[in-house]
Amino acid sequence: NAGVMQNPRHLVRRRGQEARLRCSPMKGHSHVYWYRQLPEEGLKFMVYLQKENIIDESGMPKERFSAEFPKEGPSILRIQQVVRGDSAAYFCASSPLEQGGYGYTFGSGTRLTVV
Amino acid sequence: AQSVTQLDSQVPVFEEAPVELRCNYSSSVSVYLFWYVQYPNQGLQLLLKYLSGSTLVKGINGFEAEFNKSQTSFHLRKPSVHISDTAEYFCAVTPGGNKLVFGAGTILRVKS
Repeated sequence: NAGVMQNPRHLVRRRGQEARLRCSPMKGHSHVYWYRQLPEEGLKFMVYLQKENIIDESGMPKERFSAEFPKEGPSILRIQQVVRGDSAAYFCASSPLEQGGYGYTFGSGTRLTVV
Repeated sequence: AQSVTQLDSQVPVFEEAPVELRCNYSSSVSVYLFWYVQYPNQGLQLLLKYLSGSTLVKGINGFEAEFNKSQTSFHLRKPSVHISDTAEYFCAVTPGGNKLVFGAGTILRVKS
């Protein structure tokens, strides 16, 4: 039973390029959450999605960031026109139900470096 | 809004010594509390959680934590640490919604 799969593990982008981060939830999980970890900081909530719906995007930056979780396929976090400040580790978590965090399983993260 | 304060950014300790990692939270409502561990370049692994009931919670790898409502604390303890416990530890809280609020983390360095 595979866990939460994130790819790529490491991603390098030049300033102005687009970054696409993928997250495949655990089998049977229909709720996906994205968190960002800036250097020497804790994780910060970005967005919560269910299949084909964004439920809570209160942590998403207003510009350049978007997320989706289509009916088929992984959840995608997309960052357009990346800047140096976007360099961070991005973690995805999934849960089978709306469980207030205690049912989360985290992936190993994607480490984005903007050069 | 909830917030979590981890009072120590780094805790050095010798192998087989006891350790306590401190966590305080601020919330005006009942919360669920968690400790996660992150090994280098890996994701977060749940150590233990407090949802309700007994205030002393036992987790994996010999860790335990005590919920103290009056002091709004949830300190993590282990009576005897191993080199393999070297990692970063995060305290987190949720009021029951869908998002976790994390502290800034405490790096535990176990020395031989």
